[in-house]
Amino acid sequence: ETGVTQSPTHLIKTRGQQVTLRCSSQSGHNTVSWYQQALGQGPQFIFQYYREEENGRGNFPPRFSGLQFPNYSSELNVNALELDDSALYLCASSLGVGRSSYEQYFGPGTRLTVT
Amino acid sequence: GEDVEQSLFLSVREGDSSVINCTYTDSSSTYLYWYKQEPGAGLQLLTYIFSNMDMKQDQRLTVLLNKKDKHLSLRIADTQTGDSAIYFCAGPSGAGSYQLTFGKGTKLSVIP
Repeated sequence: ETGVTQSPTHLIKTRGQQVTLRCSSQSGHNTVSWYQQALGQGPQFIFQYYREEENGRGNFPPRFSGLQFPNYSSELNVNALELDDSALYLCASSLGVGRSSYEQYFGPGTRLTVT
Repeated sequence: GEDVEQSLFLSVREGDSSVINCTYTDSSSTYLYWYKQEPGAGLQLLTYIFSNMDMKQDQRLTVLLNKKDKHLSLRIADTQTGDSAIYFCAGPSGAGSYQLTFGKGTKLSVIP
């Protein structure tokens, strides 16, 4: 069974640029959630995708957007990067929605630094 | 929505038991979780407990849930240096919600 993978591992961008982060869900999982973890904080929910549709969104501006593909992998796109976007971005996959969706398995994360 | 609070630091001696505490606000939370994060790594799901349970034991881990006080604890028996990490308590943000709300994490330091 393949776990959740994310790419790239680290990324440095300049304020105002755009970035795309990628996530491959665990084998058999069809739901992907994205979280932002600032230094010294707990992860904060950005949004979730279930079967290629957005299925819930946290308190993040529209410049944070996402996609889920037919193979259930996902992308997180952030436009007009700000210094406060510097964080560890975590992807979590789960099976379906409802009770089984609560078992979310996380990838290693992408460390984004905005200068 | 859910709000989750944890103490930030805990230091224990190797071989002792560790108890990490968490309080939450949403009484409709159906599941509550404990995740572990080692330096530079993602989150590892350690265990979770259904809201209709008071206790769950899984090898060295014991989770206690006090619904009346909205208090959750994680006890690690025979704590080892490999248990040094940040531990996060998490709960769903409202009944039927699929998003998790995390505490700020408790950093556990194990002294050899």
